[in-house]
Amino acid sequence: KAGVTQTPRYLIKTRGQQVTLSCSPISGHRSVSWYQQTPGQGLQFLFEYFSETQRNKGNFPGRFSGRQFSNSRSEMNVSTLELGDSALYLCASSLEPGANTGELFFGEGSRLTVL
Amino acid sequence: ELKVEQNPLFLSMQEGKNYTIYCNYSTTSDRLYWYRQDPGKSLESLFVLLSNGAVKQEGRLMASLDTKARLSTLHITAAVHDLSATYFCAVEGGWGSRLTFGEGTQLTVNP
Repeated sequence: KAGVTQTPRYLIKTRGQQVTLSCSPISGHRSVSWYQQTPGQGLQFLFEYFSETQRNKGNFPGRFSGRQFSNSRSEMNVSTLELGDSALYLCASSLEPGANTGELFFGEGSRLTVL
Repeated sequence: ELKVEQNPLFLSMQEGKNYTIYCNYSTTSDRLYWYRQDPGKSLESLFVLLSNGAVKQEGRLMASLDTKARLSTLHITAAVHDLSATYFCAVEGGWGSRLTFGEGTQLTVNP
């Protein structure tokens, strides 16, 4: 059974550019959530999608956006990149929000460096 | 706002010793997760604790949850070098998969 797949794994951008990250959840999982990990702020929740709808959103500026497709794959976009956006972006999938199994499975992450 | 605090944040221990990592959280929740992260890697799920009094064990690690005290513990028994990693607890706040993570405990097990 394939795990959560994130692409690209590494990327370098310059300030002002935009970036799109992709996440394919485990087959059968319909909930996808995104987290940002930085040395200073730790792991912070970005947003969660279920059935193509954003269910929750963390405390991030509007430059951060996302979407989910009908096949449950998700993308997140960051526009007008800032140096502080350099981070490991992690995607997690689960069967559905609040599922009794309660388990979230994380992908390997996309490491973004903004120069 | 849900806050999750871990202590200690840094733990250096010798092989063969026992130790406990503590995770306190600020509001009611019935779901608590423990993850392991190796440098440059993603998060590996260790335990999912879904109810008060839940106890789970895997190898040298045992996790427990006391929802009344809003406290979870991760106990390490007879540590080995392979356990060196950063351990995170995370609490689910409300319906959905939104997790609030602790700061992480960086564990180093010395021979």
